[in-house]
Amino acid sequence: GAGVSQSPRYKVAKRGQDVALRCDPISGHVSLFWYQQALGQGPEFLTYFQNEAQLDKSGLPSDRFFAERPEGSVSTLKIQRTQQEDSAVYLCASSLARYWGQAGELFFGEGSRLTVL
Amino acid sequence: AQRVTQPEKLLSVFKGAPVELKCNYSYSGSPELFWYVQYSRQRLQLLLRHISRESIKGFTADLNKGETSFHLKKPFAQEEDSAMYYCALRGSRLTFGEGTQLTVNP
Repeated sequence: GAGVSQSPRYKVAKRGQDVALRCDPISGHVSLFWYQQALGQGPEFLTYFQNEAQLDKSGLPSDRFFAERPEGSVSTLKIQRTQQEDSAVYLCASSLARYWGQAGELFFGEGSRLTVL
Repeated sequence: AQRVTQPEKLLSVFKGAPVELKCNYSYSGSPELFWYVQYSRQRLQLLLRHISRESIKGFTADLNKGETSFHLKKPFAQEEDSAMYYCALRGSRLTFGEGTQLTVNP
């Protein structure tokens, strides 16, 4: 596809369940980012990959959050034992820039809206 | 630490009126600032960046290091400008403000 693709678009989970959110970046994009956007807030940085290497995971809110990009393309954000405060839209973005310092324009997916009951 | 502040959550103007969306930042290094926009039912996308000093869809933004501001301006707002606007700062990461919902009334 031409853009960043995320799935599922909507996910409802019961508190305590594990969820996995998938991101297909634009082909050839080296850099990949995950953001969390709570209702009425701006996107908050979670983690950054350069190819398969996770260079910055300082934004992950707890050890229940885990992200991977094993082959340097598709990425998965996993949330274990979901809590109500995890309810948010999770945005994935990719960039052609090889280094974070050059990543001017980020191309965003439509997001995965997670609701934890 | 880096921080972006957009003081107005909501902004409403009439078509043809000037519009200014405010953005202030704090960052100890040399900042790079961006404006991203999200139209209804569309994904977040880049509107403009201060480095290129360009005008996109009639919008401009000037980086004022003295006032640590990067306000977005347009002299004559159009209805199609109605959207959510986010100011973003690239330091050690790309940090977004909370956004301003702009509504342009006919």
